Amino acid sequence: DAGVTQSPTHLIKTRGQQVTLRCSPKSGHDTVSWYQQALGQGPQFIFQYYEEEERQRGNFPDRFSGHQFPNYSSELNVNALLLGDSALYLCASSPWGTRETQYFGPGTRLLVL
Amino acid sequence: GENVEQHPSTLSVQEGDSAVIKCTYSDSASNYFPWYKQELGKRPQLIIDIRSNVGEKKDQRIAVTLNKTAKHFSLHITETQPEDSAVYFCAPKSGGSYIPTFGRGTSLIVHP
Repeated sequence: DAGVTQSPTHLIKTRGQQVTLRCSPKSGHDTVSWYQQALGQGPQFIFQYYEEEERQRGNFPDRFSGHQFPNYSSELNVNALLLGDSALYLCASSPWGTRETQYFGPGTRLLVL
Repeated sequence: GENVEQHPSTLSVQEGDSAVIKCTYSDSASNYFPWYKQELGKRPQLIIDIRSNVGEKKDQRIAVTLNKTAKHFSLHITETQPEDSAVYFCAPKSGGSYIPTFGRGTSLIVHP
């Protein structure tokens, strides 16, 4: 049984570029949440997807957008990258009926130069 | 939104000692209280959680205690081992929100 997977593991971009990160949830999970974790900080919630719709959104600008596919996998898109977007991006999945327990993926480390 | 504070920010102990990390939250409607462990370069992993109808939960060397009146919960690790060295995050969740609010983390260092 595969856990939560994310791709790519590392990514280097320059300011102004766009990036797409991908996440496949744990088998049996239908809800995907995305977090940004800056160095030395706790994860900050970006948004959550269920049934292909954004259900909750944190305090992030519209440059951050997402999508969920019928197979429950999800993408995080960030446009017009800023230096401050450099962080570890974590995906977490959970079953909708038991929202409390989230399982995290290994993360994608994004560096913006 | 929920305000979450963790104390201490850094905790250094000798192997075999106990460690206690406290998490204070602001939302009285919070009803789920997990602790995550994150080793360097790895993902956060749930190590123990407690729900608002329970005051204490124990799993081998790890325990969590909840004081809803004072709005805080604590992680207790007994007989610490070097492999317990990591950053620990609390992430209380309000019943009205599907999203946990993470604390800033506590770096636990266990010296052999």
